[in-house]
Amino acid sequence: SQLAEENSWALSVHEGESVTVNCSYKTSITALQWYRQKSGKGPAQLILIRSNERENRNGRLRATLDTSSQSSSLSITATRCEDTAVYFCAMNNNAGAKLTFGGGTRLTVRP
Amino acid sequence: GALVYQYPRRTICKSGTSMRMECQAVGFQATSVAWYRQSPQKTFELIALSTVNSAIKYEQNFTQEKFPISHPNLSFSSMTVLNAYLEDRGLYLCGAREGGRDTQYFGPGTRLLVL
Repeated sequence: SQLAEENSWALSVHEGESVTVNCSYKTSITALQWYRQKSGKGPAQLILIRSNERENRNGRLRATLDTSSQSSSLSITATRCEDTAVYFCAMNNNAGAKLTFGGGTRLTVRP
Repeated sequence: GALVYQYPRRTICKSGTSMRMECQAVGFQATSVAWYRQSPQKTFELIALSTVNSAIKYEQNFTQEKFPISHPNLSFSSMTVLNAYLEDRGLYLCGAREGGRDTQYFGPGTRLLVL
């Protein structure tokens, strides 16, 4: 089983709606990052949240971290069609530069 | 801003042949470079982590004999896939990081097709 995994394989919303992607992990972490990968491109970091933080925001994005339940969420408000992508959570563990990615959640935002 | 370029973007090679892919960091110093493979069936598989002035660390199931990596300076890394076969197909991603920072900047990937 994966060390990090998103809880939904695919989500679909209408433009303007809000959506939340969840992630659970199984090892200790120093930080958790959310990445977005659009078709034909490499992943791009959206938010980084450290293990001593509970929440972090970046514009329309909000990430939470619950180390007791080993879970994280990424919420997107007022979604736009260009938010359509695959969203990954990725963990930094004590090994430093190594990132462990979840399986990804494909988000489709429809007009 | 920090950018990572990868080339070629796409390559096709015959089974049993080898191909080399390159990764270039612009706008920051790529102290460490991680090479991943992303296939439709799996998420990211970390192949190896290279840190300048340190030994390259390969993950289980990946070896230097199969995926030799060069990381000669703070802006460039290359990896070769030797004797490529069908199971080596996928999108090879380079993720570069500066110093002790947590953010990895990824290139667009090199898509390898093996015939």
